[in-house]
Amino acid sequence: DAGVTQSPTHLIKTRGQQVTLRCSPKSGHDTVSWYQQALGQGPQFIFQYYEEEERQRGNFPDRFSGHQFPNYSSELNVNALLLGDSALYLCASSLYNREDEQYFGPGTRLTVT
Amino acid sequence: AQSVTQPDIHITVSEGASLELRCNYSYGATPYLFWYVQSPGQGLQLLLKYFSGDTLVQGIKGFEAEFKRSQSSFNLRKPSVHWSDAAEYFCAVGRAGGTSYGKLTFGQGTILTVHP
Repeated sequence: DAGVTQSPTHLIKTRGQQVTLRCSPKSGHDTVSWYQQALGQGPQFIFQYYEEEERQRGNFPDRFSGHQFPNYSSELNVNALLLGDSALYLCASSLYNREDEQYFGPGTRLTVT
Repeated sequence: AQSVTQPDIHITVSEGASLELRCNYSYGATPYLFWYVQSPGQGLQLLLKYFSGDTLVQGIKGFEAEFKRSQSSFNLRKPSVHWSDAAEYFCAVGRAGGTSYGKLTFGQGTILTVHP
């Protein structure tokens, strides 16, 4: 049984560019949450997707957007990249309203130069 | 607003010694409390969680944690540390009842170094 998978593993972008990160949830899970982990910090909640809708959002600007597909996989899009967007982006999957059973992927390391 | 504080950024212990990692939280409702571990290049692995009931919870890899409501603390302990325990540890809080839509609030993390 595959766990949560994320792609790509690493990514280097230039300021002002746009980036798309991908996440496939653990088999049987229908909910995906995204977190940003800056260097030396704990993860910060970006948003959660369920039934292809954004259910809750953390304190992130509109440059951060997402999407969930019918197969429950998800994308995180970041527009107009800033140097401060450099971080490890973690995806977590669960059943809806079961954040007590969130499984995290290995993350995508984004570097903005 | 909820918050989690891990006062110790970096802890060093000798292999075989006991370990306690501190976590204090601020939360307006009944919390769910978690400890996660992150090895370099890896995602987060859940060590243990507390929802209700017995305030001493057992987790994987020989870890345990004690919930103390009066002190708003949820400290992680292990009686004898192994070299493979070297990693970064995160305490997190979520909302009991499953109404926080997946939002976990994490502390800043404690890096554990184990000396042979």
